[in-house]
Amino acid sequence: AQSVAQPEDQVNVAEGNPLTVKCTYSVSGNPYLFWYVQYPNRGLQFLLKYITGDNLVKGSYGFEAEFNKSQTSFHLKKPSALVSDSALYFCAVRATDSGGGADGLTFGKGTHLIIQP
Amino acid sequence: ETGVTQSPTHLIKTRGQQVTLRCSSQSGHNTVSWYQQALGQGPQFIFQYYREEENGRGNFPPRFSGLQFPNYSSELNVNALELDDSALYLCASSIARAPLYVQYFGPGTRLTVT
Repeated sequence: AQSVAQPEDQVNVAEGNPLTVKCTYSVSGNPYLFWYVQYPNRGLQFLLKYITGDNLVKGSYGFEAEFNKSQTSFHLKKPSALVSDSALYFCAVRATDSGGGADGLTFGKGTHLIIQP
Repeated sequence: ETGVTQSPTHLIKTRGQQVTLRCSSQSGHNTVSWYQQALGQGPQFIFQYYREEENGRGNFPPRFSGLQFPNYSSELNVNALELDDSALYLCASSIARAPLYVQYFGPGTRLTVT
């Protein structure tokens, strides 16, 4: 079974400061990892993914994430936060070996990111 | 390019009733996945459809069922509604069923069961 942990329910950052939203995962074999963002009363918007290759992945809106296999982590980062980054962020994982099928993503509980002006 | 659309936006049903939710895939996508997002939780995978057949299922009972049509649109049906079925139901489409492909989500249908 696969799982995702987002240890912080909420992260508060001052505008202009760097931000980090933490994610650790558990999966059999190699993972595919994703970050999504959800604004109030909206669906999820894709930010970035790690499939293979470079451990630092760049995505939309200036976000990036660092894959660390030894720590089974995939933390989301941004060098300079904007007030408009305030939203709910979800980390998700899927095993590369789906056993012939293609089950869905496993999501964490989400982290509320609040950027203070 | 048209994104994923879902209907209706909101729905209120009574316990024991049945409900059908609809989803239109993003243009060019042939795989649809459904998720349930309870309040304060992350989305949970219900099932996935590929080429009009169920291609994988999460830990949901058989009263959750679905269909995929030749145009790749999809329906989620829930029978014998329970209060705990109240949630945001999200549909996601992808270009193929392989797990490396990004799933793009619709805005969701908010179901309230009273």
